[in-house]
Amino acid sequence: SQQGEEDPQALSIQEGENATMNCSYKTSINNLQWYRQNSGRGLVHLILIRSNEREKHSGRLRVTLDTSKKSSSLLITASRAADTASYFCATALIQGAQKLVFGQGTRLTINP
Amino acid sequence: GAGVSQTPSNKVTEKGKYVELRCDPISGHTALYWYRQSLGQGPEFLIYFQGTGAADDSGLPNDRFFAVRPEGSVSTLKIQRTERGDSAVYLCASSLLPPQNTGELFFGEGSRLTVL
Repeated sequence: SQQGEEDPQALSIQEGENATMNCSYKTSINNLQWYRQNSGRGLVHLILIRSNEREKHSGRLRVTLDTSKKSSSLLITASRAADTASYFCATALIQGAQKLVFGQGTRLTINP
Repeated sequence: GAGVSQTPSNKVTEKGKYVELRCDPISGHTALYWYRQSLGQGPEFLIYFQGTGAADDSGLPNDRFFAVRPEGSVSTLKIQRTERGDSAVYLCASSLLPPQNTGELFFGEGSRLTVL
């Protein structure tokens, strides 16, 4: 079963704008990760945030985590056409080796 | 190899046939995972190996699905008596184990299975 619920399911913005995607989950986690998937391709890891962290940055990506609300957000700043993809949050429910439970994803389209 | 390799990339079969999907993980990655992704959905966990043994097979939908990893490297996902509902992209991923593990999984491009 899917642990994460992502919102919105689809997002279409203009190039240069910021894109924000949200993820909510149900049970306590060790960490939360965001992955990107281009159409017809495998998933690529973007960023990992641990349960004791509140915010993390990587390049144009900013991730926040609110464990009290069981939610996370991914912000992509200054979007580019190449950012068009599906974005998935994934939660690691046990410590150690990562059995990740994925959400349903947000399909992001960046219009040039 | 440089990345996770999956073969075949596409497989079309008829209902009732037997199918094998292969995954060659990144060299040195002890952990190997199989996921299934239906159209428009997120990946769904099937099974996870630590070395040669299946540490967690709780995601396998029924006994028609079986996976092996006899030498702790290459893994094969086997599906017997395929049904149309088995049509999906089957994704393989690998990772290191702690303490070397950084938490992320490295995915292959997937094997797209179509059951007619």
